[in-house]
Amino acid sequence: AQSVAQPEDQVNVAEGNPLTVKCTYSVSGNPYLFWYVQYPNRGLQFLLKYITGDNLVKGSYGFEAEFNKSQTSFHLKKPSALVSDSALYFCAVRPSNDYKLSFGAGTTVTVRA
Amino acid sequence: EAQVTQNPRYLITVTGKKLTVTCSQNMNHEYMSWYRQDPGLGLRQIYYSMNVEVTDKGDVPEGYKVSRKEKRNFPLILESPSPNQTSLYFCASRRQGANNEQFFGPGTRLTVL
Repeated sequence: AQSVAQPEDQVNVAEGNPLTVKCTYSVSGNPYLFWYVQYPNRGLQFLLKYITGDNLVKGSYGFEAEFNKSQTSFHLKKPSALVSDSALYFCAVRPSNDYKLSFGAGTTVTVRA
Repeated sequence: EAQVTQNPRYLITVTGKKLTVTCSQNMNHEYMSWYRQDPGLGLRQIYYSMNVEVTDKGDVPEGYKVSRKEKRNFPLILESPSPNQTSLYFCASRRQGANNEQFFGPGTRLTVL
């Protein structure tokens, strides 16, 4: 069975500073990894995904994530955070040979002006 | 506009009163799914459907039913709601293929008294 861990419930950063949201996973076989963002009173929106190829993946709104197979991690990063990045972020994993997508518990990001 | 719609967005009901939450997508996606979101638990899958007339249980199916008579619609049915089904519910859809991201509806906040 696969699982996702987001070790931080909350991340607080100042606007303009780098933002990192951590994610580690456990899966049998090759993983497909996803990041989603949820703004208040909204559904989840897709940010980026890793399927294969380059370990550094670039996505929407200036976000990127790095796939690290040896550490089974897929941390989300943004070089310079904006107040508008304040939201709930979810990491998710799916085995390449299965349909089931498993989500982490989520990390609340607060960017202060 | 490509989207997943859910109705109602908010619902307060009483224990035992049957209810249906509708979900519709206009992207001709084969795969549809229902999740519930609870604090600290992330998103947990209730049911999913690979295509018309093909449905299967997710991680937390107890107390729920679904049907997939048409490709665009995937209603969630609570035959006899109980207070532990108070939650935020999301419908999602995606194209067939494990590497495709999901598109989420805006959510339905259900309170069962």
